[in-house]
Amino acid sequence: DAKTTQPPSMDCAEGRAANLPCNHSTISGNEYVYWYRQIHSQGPQYIIHGLKNNETNEMASLIITEDRKSSTLILPHATLRDTAVYYCIVRVVKKGGKLIFGQGTELSVKP
Amino acid sequence: DSGVTQTPKHLITATGQRVTLRCSPRSGDLSVYWYQQSLDQGLQFLIQYYNGEERAKGNILERFSAQQFPDLHSELNLSSLELGDSALYFCASSVEQGVTLGNTEAFFGQGTRLTVV
Repeated sequence: DAKTTQPPSMDCAEGRAANLPCNHSTISGNEYVYWYRQIHSQGPQYIIHGLKNNETNEMASLIITEDRKSSTLILPHATLRDTAVYYCIVRVVKKGGKLIFGQGTELSVKP
Repeated sequence: DSGVTQTPKHLITATGQRVTLRCSPRSGDLSVYWYQQSLDQGLQFLIQYYNGEERAKGNILERFSAQQFPDLHSELNLSSLELGDSALYFCASSVEQGVTLGNTEAFFGQGTRLTVV
């Protein structure tokens, strides 16, 4: 499984966009990029995933670079409830595609 | 609500004991994952089952075992418990069908908090 690198922590002002970067320079062609978040010891929550195209859903946008070696999760209007640890995961495409979590980015949204 | 149910929510037991944690996946999900999260630690992948068969193994101790039953629920058995086994244990499930298996998200339960005293 490809490894990911994320900054350990970030701050964001409430109402502003939060841009969380992730490096996955050893990603393979059939591996997807997934983003999850964990709010204070709750079960991790799925946010979004993508292969090579940019994706958007009701929670966030995912921007994947053309070479697929990095991506950015964008929370367009961060709220205090978005304070959490955000995990970027690269997942193999096969049966048993386990999700391996790294250390993630602790995002603090401040008033 | 993710649709994944874990029981019990809290469990307190003594060292040396054995416990069983239960996970009911979302309806239709064939794959079940187990994770351990110790205090201030990351999520450690333990084991995965797919349609009753062990599919992938992570950092699971020999004192721990798991299985997935025909109705697709799963149990994680922890034996000879030590103080260091105190942690949150999460279960997740996903569909895992079809060719584009990476194109399926996993949904997590709210966890079982195990305290070994």
